[in-house]
Amino acid sequence: SQQGEEDPQALSIQEGENATMNCSYKTSINNLQWYRQNSGRGLVHLILIRSNEREKHSGRLRVTLDTSKKSSSLLITASRAADTASYFCATVLLMDSSYKLIFGSGTRLLVRP
Amino acid sequence: GAVVSQHPSWVICKSGTSVKIECRSLDFQATTMFWYRQFPKQSLMLMATSNEGSKATYEQGVEKDKFLINHASLTLSTLTVTSAHPEDSSFYICSALLIAGKNTGELFFGEGSRLTVL
Repeated sequence: SQQGEEDPQALSIQEGENATMNCSYKTSINNLQWYRQNSGRGLVHLILIRSNEREKHSGRLRVTLDTSKKSSSLLITASRAADTASYFCATVLLMDSSYKLIFGSGTRLLVRP
Repeated sequence: GAVVSQHPSWVICKSGTSVKIECRSLDFQATTMFWYRQFPKQSLMLMATSNEGSKATYEQGVEKDKFLINHASLTLSTLTVTSAHPEDSSFYICSALLIAGKNTGELFFGEGSRLTVL
């Protein structure tokens, strides 16, 4: 079963606007990661935030993590048409000495030129 | 970053046939690989964890005899969809774990394999 839920499920914005996606998860985590997927392609790792971090930046990306609320957000600033893709949060679960990466439900972002 | 290659990128087969998908880590060794399935407009669902030299660990609800996983070397894991049916049509994605140090690692994903069963 999926670990996390994301909202919104779909987001349509104008180029230049900011896009915010939220992710909630269920169990304790070691870290949380955000991935991007273009339609019909593999996943591209965007950013990782550890459980002891609250905010992280990478270029136009800003990720926040609130472990008390078990939630994270991904902000893309000054969006571009090329940012159109699906975005997934993923959490690492360590169970029985094995490592699993479980994905949230994803947000489909459309950036209109 | 490290590269994971999947082959084939897409495959069309007749119902009842078996299809093998390969996942290779090209420039690193991976004792652990993961297989995911993704239906249209949905998220990735973890199917199984592939462990080099041992049996795969399947997630609840995934049929072991239906989805055969073999991880015979440190750079190759294969997923065989046996007796495929139209409902098995999906996008299958593998990932390989690159261990970076004690208790830390990074996952690299293949480009996915689209299976269409007629």
